[in-house]
Amino acid sequence: EIVLTQSPATLSLSPGERATLSCRASQTVYSYLAWYQQKPGQAPRLLIYDASNRATGIPARFSGSGSETDFTLTISSLEPEDSAVYYCQQRSNWPLTFGGGTNVEIK
Amino acid sequence: QVQLQESGPGLVKPSETLSLTCTVSGSSLSSYYWSWIRQPPGKGLDYIGYINYSGSTYYNPSLKSRVTISVDTSRNHFSLKLSSVTAADTAVYYCARHQSQWLSNDAFDVWGQGTVVTISS
Repeated sequence: EIVLTQSPATLSLSPGERATLSCRASQTVYSYLAWYQQKPGQAPRLLIYDASNRATGIPARFSGSGSETDFTLTISSLEPEDSAVYYCQQRSNWPLTFGGGTNVEIK
Repeated sequence: QVQLQESGPGLVKPSETLSLTCTVSGSSLSSYYWSWIRQPPGKGLDYIGYINYSGSTYYNPSLKSRVTISVDTSRNHFSLKLSSVTAADTAVYYCARHQSQWLSNDAFDVWGQGTVVTISS
């Protein structure tokens, strides 16, 4: 099973600042990595698929990069509504697995 | 607009079987792959398994001996059964649609709102 390790666990930033979230895989997942945003009491929302492709309706301030084992989700200029937990997910190997999440707090 | 809605008992006794249904609207079950994912309280997301329109399934090996996923295309819903439940199965259970019509290993672009299931006597 591929283990996805996300860091940091918590990120506390002010509106307008840049957020950089990391996801590291225990073995290569090529570019088969997705990112989700989850707000309290809500289902996850797909942001990025296949490492760098924005899902439908996702604002341009969200971008993804990386390949093989190291991936980054960048929020270029934080908005108050970006306060959430962000998860990565790999689809390279079975079972599909998710990272433990990064909690983004807006000061 | 595609919508998924989970339904089923919110409380299940230990050792019994958890049964949930996901009703799909705005999309036919006769395409795409459909999955179940769960989230224990305060924790991350765990993949349970999928089914497609033809009834092909995959189950996470960690749950394989206890899980059954089935589909009823006439009612446009699919279901999850998890047997011999324990407190460790307490979670929010989500159903979700795979992003591509043809990929079993995929990201999930449409999710249900989730349903809380508590295992307790």
